[in-house]
Amino acid sequence: ETGVTQTPRHLVMGMTNKKSLKCEQHLGHNAMYWYKQSAKKPLELMFVYSLEERVENNSVPSRFSPECPNSSHLFLHLHTLQPEDSALYLCASSQERGSTEAFFGQGTRLTVV
Amino acid sequence: AQSVTQLDSHVSVSEGTPVLLRCNYSSSYSPSLFWYVQHPNKGLQLLLKYTSAATLVKGINGFEAEFKKSETSFHLTKPSAHMSDAAEYFCVVSRPPRLIFGTGTRLQVFP
Repeated sequence: ETGVTQTPRHLVMGMTNKKSLKCEQHLGHNAMYWYKQSAKKPLELMFVYSLEERVENNSVPSRFSPECPNSSHLFLHLHTLQPEDSALYLCASSQERGSTEAFFGQGTRLTVV
Repeated sequence: AQSVTQLDSHVSVSEGTPVLLRCNYSSSYSPSLFWYVQHPNKGLQLLLKYTSAATLVKGINGFEAEFKKSETSFHLTKPSAHMSDAAEYFCVVSRPPRLIFGTGTRLQVFP
């Protein structure tokens, strides 16, 4: 266990559904990240939060909406997704933004049907 | 700009033989480099990191990597592969606030 917990582990949703992914860390880290891992593609950084403030939005479509209510929790709200959004979504946290190693959750396997 | 290139998408070894996973980096300043491992249906786990201290870095599970500035390389090695080492390995460079991932090397270990 890395100390970063993601729920749910698996999610199947239709293109008209609204769902949310949750990430939780109690490591005392002040930066949290969402990454997307698709087959045969490098890991893609989606969002970075530092001290609950979004500091990077990596050209992610608006159908993905992050939320960081406090330094321990990070959400990814999903609506009107497309089949190509099916992927493994990984949450990570680190002590400082990018300067130290990141600790990853086990991911949410998302399938859009 | 910082980037990493993993030279092999797949590596196959026999159990008990050495492992070499190759990574070249590009960086305009002294980089922070990492190796992560991902077992099937799992998140990523840090194997080791280089942050401008010793050039030979020892990690978990018997892995180590050597930072070679002259060759811009950060290859991952292990003297003797174990079946449990079968996984995907990612070379990563830090470009704050992000980590830049390589495309990954899938390691297969045969009995």
